[in-house]
Amino acid sequence: GENVEQHPSTLSVQEGDSAVIKCTYSDSASNYFPWYKQELGKGPQLIIDIRSNVGEKKDQRIAVTLNKTAKHFSLHITETQPEDSAVYFCAEDDKIIFGKGTRLHILP
Amino acid sequence: EAQVTQNPRYLITVTGKKLTVTCSQNMNHEYMSWYRQDPGLGLRQIYYSMNVEVTDKGDVPEGYKVSRKEKRNFPLILESPSPNQTSLYFCASSRLEAGGGETQYFGPGTRLLVL
Repeated sequence: GENVEQHPSTLSVQEGDSAVIKCTYSDSASNYFPWYKQELGKGPQLIIDIRSNVGEKKDQRIAVTLNKTAKHFSLHITETQPEDSAVYFCAEDDKIIFGKGTRLHILP
Repeated sequence: EAQVTQNPRYLITVTGKKLTVTCSQNMNHEYMSWYRQDPGLGLRQIYYSMNVEVTDKGDVPEGYKVSRKEKRNFPLILESPSPNQTSLYFCASSRLEAGGGETQYFGPGTRLLVL
């Protein structure tokens, strides 16, 4: 069946450095790939998404890239800050299948 | 304020005692769903609903029931809870467009402990 694999499961980066989280998917018909951020004690919240008709999308310090041929997409966070510490989930629509999450730690 | 609300936020119960977790959204979304979140397993979909009176099983539906009598409400029912249903539960809603790909809005979560 369809699935989404997310790596790494845990990531620690020094404040100010960049973080990259990668996901691969299996359904070649998928055309929507969102990223959600979950802070402690809260539900996931959308931070950025990309559709299959573009290869990259940026929103300030956050960017997502999509490679449809290889069936993978990545979240890039530049100039990381303490408030970026959270669990991040990638997902694949239309069945809304989530990756298992990446716990990102920003080290002072 | 556009939001998804869940109640209760925390619940401790005993095996076999029926319980209901309520979910309500004020965004007039057609699509609603329930997820459970467990360490190392991420978010797994329990049930979803594409509109009133239309519900379908997700990946882990065993031991759960849902109903969708009104557009805004989507309660999760555990008829006979067991310890393996101890988890963090999230309700979510979104619009339903023909091309797919709509943002999911999540509730704040319900932490359930079944003794």
